[in-house]
Amino acid sequence: SQQGEEDPQALSIQEGENATMNCSYKTSINNLQWYRQNSGRGLVHLILIRSNEREKHSGRLRVTLDTSKKSSSLLITASRAADTASYFCATQIYNQGGKLIFGQGTELSVKP
Amino acid sequence: DTAVSQTPKYLVTQMGNDKSIKCEQNLGHDTMYWYKQDSKKFLKIMFSYNNKELIINETVPNRFSPKSPDKAHLNLHINSLELGDSAVYFCASSQQTGGGEAFFGQGTRLTVV
Repeated sequence: SQQGEEDPQALSIQEGENATMNCSYKTSINNLQWYRQNSGRGLVHLILIRSNEREKHSGRLRVTLDTSKKSSSLLITASRAADTASYFCATQIYNQGGKLIFGQGTELSVKP
Repeated sequence: DTAVSQTPKYLVTQMGNDKSIKCEQNLGHDTMYWYKQDSKKFLKIMFSYNNKELIINETVPNRFSPKSPDKAHLNLHINSLELGDSAVYFCASSQQTGGGEAFFGQGTRLTVV
């Protein structure tokens, strides 16, 4: 069964605004990761947050994790047109061979 | 140098045919994966190999047969292709099976007509 759900499914903002995407999952996890997929391309890893961490930063990205609510959020600050892409959360569970269980993704459109 | 490369990028074939997709990684990783992305962009794991050994087979029809000749290569062979097999197939690798980021190839868009 699908592990993650994301909302919104689509988000359209202006350059310079912040974008927030949310992800929920169903079972206990080892870590949660966020990936970006540009149209017609492969997935690129953005950030990983472990189950014992609550917040992590990487450049303009900020990820939070609330294991009690089984949810995570990805904040992209000062967005740019180049941030236009699909964003996926993915969870890893202990002893599952490293497989990633993906949410259905958020389509972000940043208008110049 | 491309870290995870898969060929071909596009594959159009008729129902009933057999086709293969090749994947190679030059990252020195022990674990490789095949994922399928459907038309709604939903990604689901199909197989995982660790050092040439199959460790995950996610209830994929046995028309799909992965083969790992060495830990840098994981190929996917599909027999008797069906319309529902049309999707984008991604190869990926990671350093270990315990957890960590995965590196994805560019994908192979398979269209069965």
